[in-house]
Amino acid sequence: SQQGEEDPQALSIQEGENATMNCSYKTSINNLQWYRQNSGRGLVHLILIRSNEREKHSGRLRVTLDTSKKSSSLLITASRAADTASYFCAMPRDSLKGGSQGNLIFGKGTKLSVKP
Amino acid sequence: GAVVSQHPSWVICKSGTSVKIECRSLDFQATTMFWYRQFPKQSLMLMATSNEGSKATYEQGVEKDKFLINHASLTLSTLTVTSAHPEDSSFYICSARSAFGTEAFFGQGTRLTVV
Repeated sequence: SQQGEEDPQALSIQEGENATMNCSYKTSINNLQWYRQNSGRGLVHLILIRSNEREKHSGRLRVTLDTSKKSSSLLITASRAADTASYFCAMPRDSLKGGSQGNLIFGKGTKLSVKP
Repeated sequence: GAVVSQHPSWVICKSGTSVKIECRSLDFQATTMFWYRQFPKQSLMLMATSNEGSKATYEQGVEKDKFLINHASLTLSTLTVTSAHPEDSSFYICSARSAFGTEAFFGQGTRLTVV
């Protein structure tokens, strides 16, 4: 299975602190994506990092990818209460076949709670 | 990003009845739509992939006769849960991708509760 595994499963921090979530996967990928899901809501695409990239930034988000270790991390700096949500990594189902970007396999997610 | 609208956002139905969930791409033509299911505190699991004008491809273990998918136009796909049972209660999310896009956009999800 190519499913990603996030850790930790849950993370509770204070506002202003940084939050780091990790994702490990099993097979080769051509990209990895991170999504955010507020409780009971749909998914919001945060960032996509390609297999030939090692690091990518978007605002307060920083994503790294280590293909040798088959792992990625999402760092949220200077967290805010509004960052409270579940965060999922996801990867194309058939990366080796250049599969559709929409056909994704999701990790189990990290539930982040940011206390004001 | 592109907008995908899913309706209804929540629905409660009685066991044995059928429920239809709509997924619309509002500002682009979605040649491919994906339906996911998410149980409480779990991840999203792909149920099926539908391409406009053709039959949906179901994932292993998903009953195609129970979860009917229709993708009759480039902006609309529907998922009908037939003869719903309490174990079908879940959060259903669609995503849509255009023929030229590399990213799929997600709807806001539908919370189905079968009583």
